[in-house]
Amino acid sequence: GAVVSQHPSRVICKSGTSVKIECRSLDFQATTMFWYRQFPKQSLMLMATSNEGSKATYEQGVEKDKFLINHASLTLSTLTVTSAHPEDSSFYICSAIRDVGGYTFGSGTRLTVV
Amino acid sequence: AQSVTQLDSQVPVFEEAPVELRCNYSSSVSVYLFWYVQYPNQGLQLLLKYLSGSTLVKGINGFEAEFNKSQTSFHLRKPSVHISDTAEYFCAVSDGYIPTFGRGTSLIVHP
Repeated sequence: GAVVSQHPSRVICKSGTSVKIECRSLDFQATTMFWYRQFPKQSLMLMATSNEGSKATYEQGVEKDKFLINHASLTLSTLTVTSAHPEDSSFYICSAIRDVGGYTFGSGTRLTVV
Repeated sequence: AQSVTQLDSQVPVFEEAPVELRCNYSSSVSVYLFWYVQYPNQGLQLLLKYLSGSTLVKGINGFEAEFNKSQTSFHLRKPSVHISDTAEYFCAVSDGYIPTFGRGTSLIVHP
């Protein structure tokens, strides 16, 4: 149980275009989901906390207009990287809370902006 | 505020040898503690977690960790490692809502 599906696993896009990443909880309802960014050989950096039916809470330094988060249902949260640039290239990971102390992670999305 | 320190960025070890990956944390409230493993280009997989109860926690793949409140530590151990254990390991602390991750320890198992 407690599976989180993240798509796509890899995406290459041209500079200036937008990319949408989906995170779905398959067998449970996730009121809260987290979006992380991971640079090579580094830890996970929390970008934002996504709550179903409300606006996401962004961490300091994360541009909310560039990284649009939508959590319209209890099983789906999306991260859209708008007007992507090469510096946005990174590994993005979502996570959902199932219960106290239960965090389940998606498999990650490798974004390359060329 | 909570934080996690993983003292070793890289731990090389020979196959079948024991290993310990160190993790220290700080928090002003009661904590939940986790160890995750990450293989290249993949998400994080839970190895084990401490929520309450016994301080010795057993996880998957033969790993275990011991919660030491006085030393604010949660070190991960395995008595005999395999080549397939080569991966990045992350310690995390949570107050029950948002987890905070350490910088990770790269475990490299040599044949």
